[in-house]
Amino acid sequence: SAVISQKPSRDICQRGTSLTIQCQVDSQVTMMFWYRQQPGQSLTLIATANQGSEATYESGFVIDKFPISRPNLTFSTLTVSNMSPEDSSIYLCSVFGAAGVTGELFFGEGSRLTVL
Amino acid sequence: GENVEQHPSTLSVQEGDSAVIKCTYSDSASNYFPWYKQELGKRPQLIIDIRSNVGEKKDQRIAVTLNKTAKHFSLHITETQPEDSAVYFCAASWYAAGNKLTFGGGTRVLVKP
Repeated sequence: SAVISQKPSRDICQRGTSLTIQCQVDSQVTMMFWYRQQPGQSLTLIATANQGSEATYESGFVIDKFPISRPNLTFSTLTVSNMSPEDSSIYLCSVFGAAGVTGELFFGEGSRLTVL
Repeated sequence: GENVEQHPSTLSVQEGDSAVIKCTYSDSASNYFPWYKQELGKRPQLIIDIRSNVGEKKDQRIAVTLNKTAKHFSLHITETQPEDSAVYFCAASWYAAGNKLTFGGGTRVLVKP
């Protein structure tokens, strides 16, 4: 299993500002995933963060809008840049439980962002 | 890329009845199919999963079936209880794609006492 801590758990942000979400895992993992869950919607993968390399972004998501850092094997950050109300979502960090490469996907509690 | 369709989007059942949620996937290379349950305000959590080398898996009141030929899989919940009320997500992945999961749209299940 994996224990994932995310900060902040929630925040209210002003349009045009940026916010960085932190994700800390209790074990070393190869891949960390960032998902977005818009209100009442499913989970959409934003990007995969690998330590020591650039994050891999999914279609529709770009680095300028969602820059990601992965300084070591237990930590990652996701920044939501130049926010608009459409960015109001829950952002979830996740990792695989089995050596960080496969098996059950564990999620953090999520960071609920509201953009005014 | 993979595309996962999930039906129905909402499901209301009487306590004690069964609930069935169906998903279809597009990529025949997908070989891992988990189901996640998300209670209100909580994180998604795995409840059951199945790999492509088996057709059915059961865990107490929940079961999952997989038809690789038709590219669909289903979640069955028997003897539903109020605590089964939640949103359920199916997902699919395959190893060569980095195991990243593609989720279905979700099914909101309401179990009426």
